[in-house]
Amino acid sequence: QVQLQQSGPGLVKPSQTLSLTCAISGDSVSSNSVAWNWIRQSPSRGLEWLGRTYYRSKWYNDYAVSVKSRITINPDTSKNQFSLQLNSVTPDDTAVYYCARGINTAFDNWGQGTMLTVSS
Amino acid sequence: DIVMTQSPDSLAVSLGERATINCKSSQSVFSSSINKSSLAWYQQKPGQPPKLLIYWASIRESGVPDRFSGSGSGTDFTLTISSLQAEDVAVYYCQQFYSILPAFGQGTRVEIK
Repeated sequence: QVQLQQSGPGLVKPSQTLSLTCAISGDSVSSNSVAWNWIRQSPSRGLEWLGRTYYRSKWYNDYAVSVKSRITINPDTSKNQFSLQLNSVTPDDTAVYYCARGINTAFDNWGQGTMLTVSS
Repeated sequence: DIVMTQSPDSLAVSLGERATINCKSSQSVFSSSINKSSLAWYQQKPGQPPKLLIYWASIRESGVPDRFSGSGSGTDFTLTISSLQAEDVAVYYCQQFYSILPAFGQGTRVEIK
């Protein structure tokens, strides 16, 4: 079955870059029938989809308008994983971050979540 | 952007009774080309990620008990728990995947009365 294992720091200073990784087992980051997503959850924003990467003969990305100027999601085919980078973080970016597999695209498999705090 | 609005924000139901959660989208999420509404329901328990229950508005994910059912089309949707069990205490979310930018409702907390 599909499993997603997240890794990355839980604390980032304001103005720095948040970096998280999601390792995939049981599927391929290069699958042409799914998308690989990042979603965050906070009391103030609820569940907020951030973006996705997917392969359909070439790589594509879609990003939420709220973070489009600051976000990058990259696949790593050599390690079968994908990553999230969010630049210039502020305390408003404090949240639990999830990676998730999307099919059509409901999200049918989720990572365990990473509590990310932005604080000096 | 499509905005998803759930009601109520919370509800308390007796064990064995029916729980009904509503979800309304700001525009239709029905695709005539596939004759389906792009709407999913999730269950989230404390400390866990959301779990997919229903997709295409009414199709149960594998392994989901049949007391969970989804209905509706276009802009108005309902998640029904036909006979509430103790393990169903959770927050439930709807989500549209019609537009290129998915969006979730704000959540409905279900508790035992």
